[in-house]
Amino acid sequence: QSVLTQPPSASGTPGQRVTISCSGSSSNIGSNTVNWYQQLPGTAPKLLIYSNNQRPSGVPDRFSGSKSGTSASLAISGLQSEDEADYYCAAWDDSLHGVVFGGGTKLTVL
Amino acid sequence: QVQLVQSGAEVKKPGASVKVSCKASGYTFTSYGISWVRQAPGQGLEWMGWISAYNGNTNYAQKLQGRVTMTTDTSTSTAYMELRSLRSDDTAVYYCARGGGDYVGDFDYWGQGTLVTVSS
Repeated sequence: QSVLTQPPSASGTPGQRVTISCSGSSSNIGSNTVNWYQQLPGTAPKLLIYSNNQRPSGVPDRFSGSKSGTSASLAISGLQSEDEADYYCAAWDDSLHGVVFGGGTKLTVL
Repeated sequence: QVQLVQSGAEVKKPGASVKVSCKASGYTFTSYGISWVRQAPGQGLEWMGWISAYNGNTNYAQKLQGRVTMTTDTSTSTAYMELRSLRSDDTAVYYCARGGGDYVGDFDYWGQGTLVTVSS
């Protein structure tokens, strides 16, 4: 059971916009920034969004993040086949004094 | 370019220990922490802890306290993660990642992963 809650799956067709939610609590998302990772099959995770809504250099602006209260969302616009991957949210947790991850969302491009 | 290169796959028996290395290049090693994250087969990501490459301070996940030790060798820009008293549920791919510290949850570069299999 992960501390942060994500839907196990999401899907969309090419060109569509999809969102993935991440729900937490006051000790993690409610008081710290949220980061998102993309993990393509058989590869290491890649930082996609940091500090709620910042994109590292090289990440397309099709990817965006937002946070409100104890929840966060990752939005992917103009969906492409290469976006098919697992997506994880992460945040620092003040109670656990460590980083917590969501259980991951498997995105399928139909 | 920043690279983190990890040691190769390991097969261990229950009760044994494993030590995974992570050699960094392309940046000033002591300017960033190194975090360790593991992923059991078909499962999600689990944060294990981090070490400051500057002063060696560590912070371990509560569930691993007493079984894990993270160290660095600044002369070779290498970080190490040792896990003791291995159990079958420690079977996972272990990743090192650049970044870490209190209130830090973003890791911008990752190693390729090291598969550790615990089996009798």
